[in-house]
Amino acid sequence: QVQLVESGGGVVQPGRSLRLSCEASGFTFSRYGIHWVRQAPGKGLEWVAMISYDGSDKYYADSVKGRFTISRDNSKNTLYLQLSSLRAEDTAVYYCAKTYMDLYYYYFGMDVWGQGTTVTVSS
Amino acid sequence: QTVVTQEPSVTVSPGGTVTLTCASTTGAVTSGYYANWFQQKPGQAPRALIYTTTNKHSWTPARFSGSLIGGKAALTLSAVQPEDEAEYYCLLFYGGAHPWVFGGGTKVTVL
Repeated sequence: QVQLVESGGGVVQPGRSLRLSCEASGFTFSRYGIHWVRQAPGKGLEWVAMISYDGSDKYYADSVKGRFTISRDNSKNTLYLQLSSLRAEDTAVYYCAKTYMDLYYYYFGMDVWGQGTTVTVSS
Repeated sequence: QTVVTQEPSVTVSPGGTVTLTCASTTGAVTSGYYANWFQQKPGQAPRALIYTTTNKHSWTPARFSGSLIGGKAALTLSAVQPEDEAEYYCLLFYGGAHPWVFGGGTKVTVL
């Protein structure tokens, strides 16, 4: 079945970096865009970033632009999110989510989500 | 700064019907915003319910339906079950450099 598994979360000091991974299975990874969405403790969902199926298009929320970098390796069926210059307000569960439609039809939204990985930024 | 607004909380009786709405500070929500709806229960990842305003995923129960009402995207829960108690989020597509914005979520209590 379609599955997304995030990893790489942990406790990190402010100003440091971390790389999250999202490993996909059960579908043709190279045909689908993938999103990162986060949820701070007790808060709502916040869209973070999205990368197109071939990695040619990348989009970021203002809150992370210039600090986070989304990338993918289609040969490994894996998505990445490089988090840099981390702040306390980046503390959250980070989810990856697959676009519902393939190729450039990413505006249709998301369907399958992973279970999330927790990032805690604290000194 | 685009803001997507949802009711903070609603309460519904078992077997009843409730409609949640999703509004945009940019004006009326139309089909071009490709509204999505998600359900999230405590300690779980979100689950997709509706895409492109009205379409259900294969796993979406028939009692959930999406529509446009009065310039807002809407999610109607009919014949509400106790297991429908959850947080519900809408997602709108704006395009451009920052394409997607989530609403703040609506907590649905079944009582």
